[in-house]
Amino acid sequence: LAKTTQPISMDSYEGQEVNITCSHNNIATNDYITWYQQFPSQGPRFIIQGYKTKVTNEVASLFIPADRKSSTLSLPRVSLSDTAVYYCLVGVAGGFKTIFGAGTRLFVKA
Amino acid sequence: SAVISQKPSRDICQRGTSLTIQCQVDSQVTMMFWYRQQPGQSLTLIATANQGSEATYESGFVIDKFPISRPNLTFSTLTVSNMSPEDSSIYLCSVEGLLGVPGNTIYFGEGSWLTVV
Repeated sequence: LAKTTQPISMDSYEGQEVNITCSHNNIATNDYITWYQQFPSQGPRFIIQGYKTKVTNEVASLFIPADRKSSTLSLPRVSLSDTAVYYCLVGVAGGFKTIFGAGTRLFVKA
Repeated sequence: SAVISQKPSRDICQRGTSLTIQCQVDSQVTMMFWYRQQPGQSLTLIATANQGSEATYESGFVIDKFPISRPNLTFSTLTVSNMSPEDSSIYLCSVEGLLGVPGNTIYFGEGSWLTVV
């Protein structure tokens, strides 16, 4: 299972774009990259998943360079409600256990 | 998506007792997992709940302490046995692989917050 490294915490202000980068140097060929969001006292919630290049949905964008050794979660125009812990996960799609890293605590200020 | 219900959502337990947490999914799923999340920490995988057979435990977790059942594709239980204050934590059920649905997104329950006194 590929290990991931993320910044421990980040601060931002409302309306700004936030980019959280995750390093996964030993990612395997079949591994996907998935990001989750967790609010206090709640279970993690799926945000976005990708394999290469760029993926975008209604919540975020995920940028993955050609070597796939890192990825960047981009949150456009954050609000106070985006204050949460964000986890970057790397693993094979389907049927395999998921190991969580430490995550990034994002604080959005008014 | 899948709706995952965990019971109890919160409980205060006496030292030395055991508590069983239930996880019910509204869809059949191939994989079910149990995680523990201690205050301020990330999630730690306890075990994979296997239907009709013994669970697969991660390093540091044993069946005697955390017996797990999974009688069918929509239900699992985790028991925390002989509890001590160190077991105070949030216990989360997660599922992957909704039958008949492409993709492999993992879904989590809201967790069961246990406080051992």
